[in-house]
Amino acid sequence: LAKTTQPISMDSYEGQEVNITCSHNNIATNDYITWYQQFPSQGPRFIIQGYKTKVTNEVASLFIPADRKSSTLSLPRVSLSDTAVYYCLVGANYGGSQGNLIFGKGTKLSVKP
Amino acid sequence: DSGVTQTPKHLITATGQRVTLRCSPRSGDLSVYWYQQSLDQGLQFLIQYYNGEERAKGNILERFSAQQFPDLHSELNLSSLELGDSALYFCASSARDGLNTEAFFGQGTRLTVV
Repeated sequence: LAKTTQPISMDSYEGQEVNITCSHNNIATNDYITWYQQFPSQGPRFIIQGYKTKVTNEVASLFIPADRKSSTLSLPRVSLSDTAVYYCLVGANYGGSQGNLIFGKGTKLSVKP
Repeated sequence: DSGVTQTPKHLITATGQRVTLRCSPRSGDLSVYWYQQSLDQGLQFLIQYYNGEERAKGNILERFSAQQFPDLHSELNLSSLELGDSALYFCASSARDGLNTEAFFGQGTRLTVV
């Protein structure tokens, strides 16, 4: 079971690009990397998922090096509303993949004006 | 709005009691996941169902059980409640059968055991 390690907290200012790195040294061949965002007292919200190289959608980019032992979530030009906890998850995304899915403590991002 | 509905939003009960939390997944989603979030333990995966069948189990206590019904809604039953069971319980749903897929979370049920 792949364990993830993220910084506990990060600070940024509005308009800056924020990069949050997650380490997952024991990632398995079939594992995907997923990032979620959570605001206080709300359910997590899916941001992005990837397997290797780079994935980009309308809100973020995910960079995964060739060895896949880490990944970086990139949030372009953050705003105050991006203040939240960001979770990195690693696990298989196919059916019948027994096991656990660990969210960890996440990274608390604080965006300042 | 994620499309996932959880009821009730808040629940206060006494130790030793039993409660049932209900989840209606997004229309068309076959997978339902249950999570527990407490201040000291963070967000923990409990169990996953896909089209009525249990697919994966996480850190779910024996006092807890769940099921998914033919109409795809799911219920999480918590019995012999203890103070430590106080937490936010989330349900999520996904169109796919997988542990780590794009899942949509409900607003949660806040359980307080007194």
